[in-house]
Amino acid sequence: AAGVIQSPRHLIKEKRETATLKCYPIPRHDTVYWYQQGPGQDPQFLISFYEKMQSDKGSIPDRFSAQQFSDYHSELNMSSLELGDSALYFCASSLSGSLDTQYFGPGTRLTVL
Amino acid sequence: QKEVEQDPGPLSVPEGAIVSLNCTYSNSAFQYFMWYRQYSRKGPELLMYTYSSGNKEDGRFTAQVDKSSKYISLFIRDSQPSDSATYLCAMTPGGSQGNLIFGKGTKLSVKP
Repeated sequence: AAGVIQSPRHLIKEKRETATLKCYPIPRHDTVYWYQQGPGQDPQFLISFYEKMQSDKGSIPDRFSAQQFSDYHSELNMSSLELGDSALYFCASSLSGSLDTQYFGPGTRLTVL
Repeated sequence: QKEVEQDPGPLSVPEGAIVSLNCTYSNSAFQYFMWYRQYSRKGPELLMYTYSSGNKEDGRFTAQVDKSSKYISLFIRDSQPSDSATYLCAMTPGGSQGNLIFGKGTKLSVKP
């Protein structure tokens, strides 16, 4: 079965650079969630979108922004990167009305040097 | 205090043992409860999903939710070395607040 696709899988950036992470949800899923997982930590919710509109916002820094496009894929844009932004970034998707079952992608490992 | 508490372990058991993992939570609004399995450097994989209180069984896995005690459990029967991973509980009130609140995860090691 098709799963959530994330790209790139690995990304290395310098401090103060920008990064764009992409997420392609499971076909027919209309809701996308972004999570950040630091080393040895549990995933922390950043932001979510339903039908291309922001549906909820968590602990996302102002330096980050995200959007969902007409084909339901989503992009997380990160600017003025800091060392502390180094983490695994997961995207999860769900189908509205499916009782909130979220399926996670493999993640993008971001390293900020 | 975190909304969801989970003992990080590590937990080491012999192959074939019954494993019991659990989480407690403080937010009575949580209605949907999940267990995810995460291998090192991989994305969380949904194992079990339960709505409200009760039990759910799927093969070697059983999930239990006791909302009156704000306590959820995952049991793994006949544990295998391939079950070695970090197990994360997650929960949400659901609806428009669908983002998941995770526990810290319990690292399980099943020894052959």
